[in-house]
Amino acid sequence: DAGVTQSPTHLIKTRGQHVTLRCSPISGHKSVSWYQQVLGQGPQFIFQYYEKEERGRGNFPDRFSARQFPNYSSELNVNALLLGDSALYLCASSLGQGAFSPLHFGNGTRLTVT
Amino acid sequence: GQQLNQSPQSMFIQEGEDVSMNCTSSSIFNTWLWYKQDPGEGPVLLIALYKAGELTSNGRLTAQFGITRKDSFLNISASIPSDVGIYFCAGHIIQGAQKLVFGQGTRLTINP
Repeated sequence: DAGVTQSPTHLIKTRGQHVTLRCSPISGHKSVSWYQQVLGQGPQFIFQYYEKEERGRGNFPDRFSARQFPNYSSELNVNALLLGDSALYLCASSLGQGAFSPLHFGNGTRLTVT
Repeated sequence: GQQLNQSPQSMFIQEGEDVSMNCTSSSIFNTWLWYKQDPGEGPVLLIALYKAGELTSNGRLTAQFGITRKDSFLNISASIPSDVGIYFCAGHIIQGAQKLVFGQGTRLTINP
């Protein structure tokens, strides 16, 4: 079975530009979450979507936005890119919303902002 | 906000040795999870712990959920070269959103 798939795998953008990252969850999973992982640190929570509704947002500026589509895939959008947005962006999916639904991660999109 | 303190930050061991790492927190979590991350890849789930005091094994890996729900440890027995990587603990919170709070990671290096 396919795991969580993310595209693109790598991306280079210039400061001020906009970027869209895409994620397809594991088949049957209805929850998608986004995490940012800066080099040398653990992932940080950005957003969670369940049944196409935003359920939570981490401590990230409004330049970050996301959405979930009817097929449960998701997009993360970042506007007005800053050098500090350079990171590995991870998407995770889970079957449901509860404590017995562990998150499964994709391999991420490596974003470099120059 | 919630924070997890994971230790040690790095370990250098000989192949065949046992490994132990742990996480502590000032907050209570519903679930504790342990992940392993290899270079260029996303974290892979190793073990999920759902009940305080629970002890769970996955092959050579054993993890326990602390009685107070504020700590967890992961042991790896008889380490092999493919155990090299970064291990993360994560506390699972459900407060409106389903959210993981990660530790800083333990980098495991194995000398053959």
